[in-house]
Amino acid sequence: RKEVEQDPGPFNVPEGATVAFNCTYSNSASQSFFWYRQDCRKEPKLLMSVYSSGNEDGRFTAQLNRASQYISLLIRDSKLSDSATYLCVVKINTDKLIFGTGTRLQVFP
Amino acid sequence: GAGVSQTPSNKVTEKGKYVELRCDPISGHTALYWYRQSLGQGPEFLIYFQGTGAADDSGLPNDRFFAVRPEGSVSTLKIQRTERGDSAVYLCASSLDSFWTDTQYFGPGTRLTVL
Repeated sequence: RKEVEQDPGPFNVPEGATVAFNCTYSNSASQSFFWYRQDCRKEPKLLMSVYSSGNEDGRFTAQLNRASQYISLLIRDSKLSDSATYLCVVKINTDKLIFGTGTRLQVFP
Repeated sequence: GAGVSQTPSNKVTEKGKYVELRCDPISGHTALYWYRQSLGQGPEFLIYFQGTGAADDSGLPNDRFFAVRPEGSVSTLKIQRTERGDSAVYLCASSLDSFWTDTQYFGPGTRLTVL
């Protein structure tokens, strides 16, 4: 079983739609949680950290459920520029990041 | 300011050859990480340096892979006797330190193709 599991998609949604991505992690010792965004043939970039209380950054909302070991990302009012792969990431120790396989989002006009 | 840089951006080599991949972290960042990303997968951890020393090399797949960071800045990932299965994008990241809250910033990667 992978340490971080995500639905690979692709999710094809029209502009303006709301889309949600889910992720589960297997190690209950995981301490930090993130969503990274990766454009085609580019490096991953931090989208947002995920906190237990939930957090929002503009159109993006992240939630963490430690009891269920579940992380989510909600994107409201999708834009064409949101098309990318979204990587769910956990950190157990203070060093390495553990990535899911990523969920591909394609927003169409 | 300048981000993480990696050279070369692309490397094509033949099976059995030796390759070196270079990473220049963000100035002042003490922590440096190497990851490998295969097609359709997320990045996988290889090795982490804190300063000059390898603090965690548990992700290196075998003894053909080795990395150094002799002066605590630039790092080189070295792969001996390359195999076709080594083909991937090799990503380097750096962070200010290795605390829980420190963001890892990634370089553009080196795309390695082993023929």
